[in-house]
Order: sequence, then structure tokens, then C-alpha cells
Amino acid sequence: QKEVEQDPGPLSVPEGAIVSLNCTYSNSAFQYFMWYRQYSRKGPELLMYTYSSGNKEDGRFTAQVDKSSKYISLFIGDSQPSDSATYLCAMRSQTGANNLFFGTGTRLTVIP
Amino acid sequence: ETGVTQTPRHLVMGMTNKKSLKCEQHLGHNAMYWYKQSAKKPLELMFVYNFKEQTENNSVPSRFSPECPNSSHLFLHLHTLQPEDSALYLCASSQASGAPGELFFGEGSRLTVL
Repeated sequence: QKEVEQDPGPLSVPEGAIVSLNCTYSNSAFQYFMWYRQYSRKGPELLMYTYSSGNKEDGRFTAQVDKSSKYISLFIGDSQPSDSATYLCAMRSQTGANNLFFGTGTRLTVIP
Repeated sequence: ETGVTQTPRHLVMGMTNKKSLKCEQHLGHNAMYWYKQSAKKPLELMFVYNFKEQTENNSVPSRFSPECPNSSHLFLHLHTLQPEDSALYLCASSQASGAPGELFFGEGSRLTVL
């Protein structure tokens, strides 16, 4: 079983749609949860991170963590063509500072 | 130059060649990483250096040899690679005092092994 499972997509939505991206994981020691965004021919960049369970909002982006279900989500509101990218979830334990476990990434296309 | 810079951006090599990938970070960070990114697979951590000392080596074949001469530079020396080693190799850096899990990635070196 993989440490982190993520549907690779691809996912295509019309501009203005609400997008939901998800990951599941198996290791209950994971405490920090990150979402990275990777544009074509670029390296990933950190979009948001959350610690333990709960929600975090940043503009149109909302990250949710449900540790009881081992399930994390990223919601993108009023999606824009500039949101078209691959979104990777990542997570680590309290002590695993240098060891992130990544999902495979979900490729998102927002159609104007 | 700012951020994390990787050269070359593209590399094609035969199985008997020797080549090197270079990474330079201008962020003053104290940790540097090599990751391998293959299609439909998660990012694979290969090597980690903290303050120039290698702290992680995730069972990477010896045909990949890292070198970290100082906290700003990281190399990945390649020799007698296999076609399955074709992938995007990403360098990243981080600072211990930064946000948890925040890695700053370069744009990657796309490697093709013939």
C-alpha cells in the first residue's frame, strides 16, 4: 500500500467552478499536510500547509484535514484558467522534517 | 539569480556516459535535496544534505552519486545509467526555521537515457 494515494486525473472544469482535490494516506504519524502546485515545465511550489486536523483558508483556496479518516482536501473556489496545473499533496510526521511523502499529483485544467 | 537554479535543463545521455547535474540555491538555506519525478509516480526523495552533511540516502543505486561542496551547491553525478532512470530530477532547498514542509524547488533537469 502506498503511503499517500492521489487520483492523477486529469480533471477538466469550466472557469468559475469549485474544484475539489483529495488525498488519502495510511500513516497515522503524519501531522503536517501540504499542497504544492506545479505548472508545466516548472518545479513544484508550496501553496498551503496545515498542521493536524482542521481547515485553513487562503483567498480562493481552502485546505481541509480529517485525521480520523486519513483524508485531506484542497478546494479551489471560482477557478481560473491560471489555476491549470498539477496539484501534489505532501505530508510528513512531527519528526520527519526532511522526509516528505508526496502523492502522484492531480492534473487540473480550467477551461475558459 | 534568485531561488534555486538547475543546469542543464535537458540532458540526453547514453548508458555508458558520465554526466553531472548541478543545483545552486541563492536563498541562504541549510538543507538541499535531490528528488526524482517520473510520470504517474510520487516524487521520490533521493538524497538530503543538512549543512553539507548527507543525512538521507533512500536506497539509491550507486550509479547516482551526490556531492555537496558547500551549503549553496549540490551536484548529482551520473554514470552507467539505465533507460528507467529517465525522469525529471528536481533539486530543492529548505530552511529549518521556515514553514514546515516548505521546500523550494528548481525547475528540474529532464534526463533521457538512451
